[in-house]
Amino acid sequence: DAKTTQPNSMESNEEEPVHLPCNHSTISGTDYIHWYRQLPSQGPEYVIHGLTSNVNNRMASLAIAEDRKSSTLILHRATLRDAAVYYCILSYYNTDKLIFGTGTRLQVFP
Amino acid sequence: GEEVAQTPKHLVRGEGQKAKLYCAPIKGHSYVFWYQQVLKNEFKFLISFQNENVFDETGMPKERFSAKCLPNSPCSLEIQATKLEDSAVYFCASSEPGTSGGNEQFFGPGTRLTVL
Repeated sequence: DAKTTQPNSMESNEEEPVHLPCNHSTISGTDYIHWYRQLPSQGPEYVIHGLTSNVNNRMASLAIAEDRKSSTLILHRATLRDAAVYYCILSYYNTDKLIFGTGTRLQVFP
Repeated sequence: GEEVAQTPKHLVRGEGQKAKLYCAPIKGHSYVFWYQQVLKNEFKFLISFQNENVFDETGMPKERFSAKCLPNSPCSLEIQATKLEDSAVYFCASSEPGTSGGNEQFFGPGTRLTVL
């Protein structure tokens, strides 16, 4: 299974942009890149996903490197409610199963 | 329903006892996934269903774990003869039919299984 690597933790101040990096050097051509986040005592929550092109939605932006071996989740203005563990995940084209990394714990300070 | 429902919220079993977990996917979603989260951050895919058919079972420990999704019933994940290492939070997720690999999965709140 293709794996992702992320920093264990990151910090941000409220209202500032946050860039969460992810490496996935063994990604195959048909794997999608997903980001989910998990708040304490909750199930993972979808944030964004993409295949090759950069993506934007109301929650975040996803920047995908040209060679697809890395990606960055961008939260444009962090809020206290964005404090969570963020998982960079690859999903298999044929089965949709999500292969989770170990996640980045994001702390947001007022 | 509009959310994935999982029952029970907590389950405590003695080693060797059976455990059965339930999941009601979002109405209209045809895919159901089971994941196991051990030690806070480690997720493991177990099995997925397309309607009542097994879609991918590559993550299932074959000896003691089984799962079903029958029409008009919640999906279930059963562990026969639980072991200490089965202690984890078990998440169910569902998704709509559509582009393979690119579907959003909606997760339930999880069932915390504690094996003593």
